[in-house]
Amino acid sequence: GQNIDQPTEMTATEGAIVQINCTYQTSGFNGLFWYQQHAGEAPTFLSYNVLDGLEEKGRFSSFLSRSKGYSYLLLKELQMKDSASYLCAAMDSNYQLIWGAGTKLIIKP
Amino acid sequence: TAGITQAPTSQILAAGRSMTLRCTQDMRHNAMYWYRQDLGLGLRLIHYSNTAGTTGKGEVPDGYSVSRANTDDFPLTLASAVPSQTSVYFCASSMTGGNGNQPQHFGDGTRLSIL
Repeated sequence: GQNIDQPTEMTATEGAIVQINCTYQTSGFNGLFWYQQHAGEAPTFLSYNVLDGLEEKGRFSSFLSRSKGYSYLLLKELQMKDSASYLCAAMDSNYQLIWGAGTKLIIKP
Repeated sequence: TAGITQAPTSQILAAGRSMTLRCTQDMRHNAMYWYRQDLGLGLRLIHYSNTAGTTGKGEVPDGYSVSRANTDDFPLTLASAVPSQTSVYFCASSMTGGNGNQPQHFGDGTRLSIL
């Protein structure tokens, strides 16, 4: 079957760095997406990886290893507004997104 | 820029009643999607449409129907609501579907409670 695993909840300190991991198993693979979702709001697109390696976009970076079925989202210089859920989603061979349950990130002052 | 508009924002519905959730996008995206989001679970795809005039079933289509008469609108209908359909429903769109990897853009969601 198809499956996405990511931690349920993480806590980090304002100004610090946090890494949110995601492992995936899909029928075929056409890329890995990360979304941010604040409580009560819609998910918003953060990043997309289809090749191995690190993609950097400001304070946020995303990494992919296709051979390991593994990705992470790295958030630097954490701000209170980064408190949100972070959703990992892998695109399968039918170009459908398989979503993880999300990682709730709590930022403490 | 409006993007994707969903209506209503929230609704309480008696079991057995029918309901149509509306979704309109102004980005001229070809592909549209309906998801439900439940606590502790990932977003689950209900139905999708890769282009106007076509629709497809997702992971959890039972009890739901959709239509795509034009590019902009993608309504989701619950013919006879049941309590297990209590959820937050998100409509999304992307430039392409079925052969692309464009990110999906989401509406603000409809919070539906079936009593």
